Amino acid sequence: SYELTQPPSVSVSPGQTARITCSADALPKQYAYWYQQKPGQAPVLVIYKDSERPSGIPERFSGSSSGTTVTLTISGVQAEDEADYYCQSVDSSGTYVVFGGGTKLTVL
Amino acid sequence: QVQLVESGGGLVKPGGSLRLSCTASGFTFSNYYMSWIRQAPGKRLEWVSYISSSSSYTIYADSVKGRFTISRDNAKNSLYLQMNSQRVEDTAVYYCARTIPERSGYYFDYWGQGTLVTVSS
Repeated sequence: SYELTQPPSVSVSPGQTARITCSADALPKQYAYWYQQKPGQAPVLVIYKDSERPSGIPERFSGSSSGTTVTLTISGVQAEDEADYYCQSVDSSGTYVVFGGGTKLTVL
Repeated sequence: QVQLVESGGGLVKPGGSLRLSCTASGFTFSNYYMSWIRQAPGKRLEWVSYISSSSSYTIYADSVKGRFTISRDNAKNSLYLQMNSQRVEDTAVYYCARTIPERSGYYFDYWGQGTLVTVSS
């Protein structure tokens, strides 16, 4: 089955830049999306179509794509950014949604 | 503002049935695809199913195919998930989400707060 691979955890100090990667063979052909989920809350879309930012999402959140890897970058990390981050895409047929395993961002 | 409110979760025995509902407001429900996504305790998100705006098209994850049925009532701004033959592994928080089709795929721009389903004897 199709899988998206994320690192389990990333740690940064406040004000630094956090980079969370997501890898899969079909990513060059399919868009990736990123969601932020804080404990006990529903996920929130933070990046769509690889690099677009929904209204209301701070400018410090950005996305990029290179080959089989997409990256969520959070510049000037703040304590409130501590959360789980999930990438999402679809399989090569475009039919079935797949989520990555999630990355826990810890702000030291 | 967009609001999605799920209901219908609870405790069910293995092999039992449950029907989840999601009531939408703040947008023209009949114009949008909708989906159900679940998350087992401490686990990753897992997409379950989606339905097109007119109900003409439905897709299911292999893990629920043949057991779950997604439906909607556009007159009532409501989305449903009928869950039959439930298994312990169906235990999860179930979210409804507004779904945006894109080139070769789709994503979820608004989510409800979720409803917990526990399958246990």
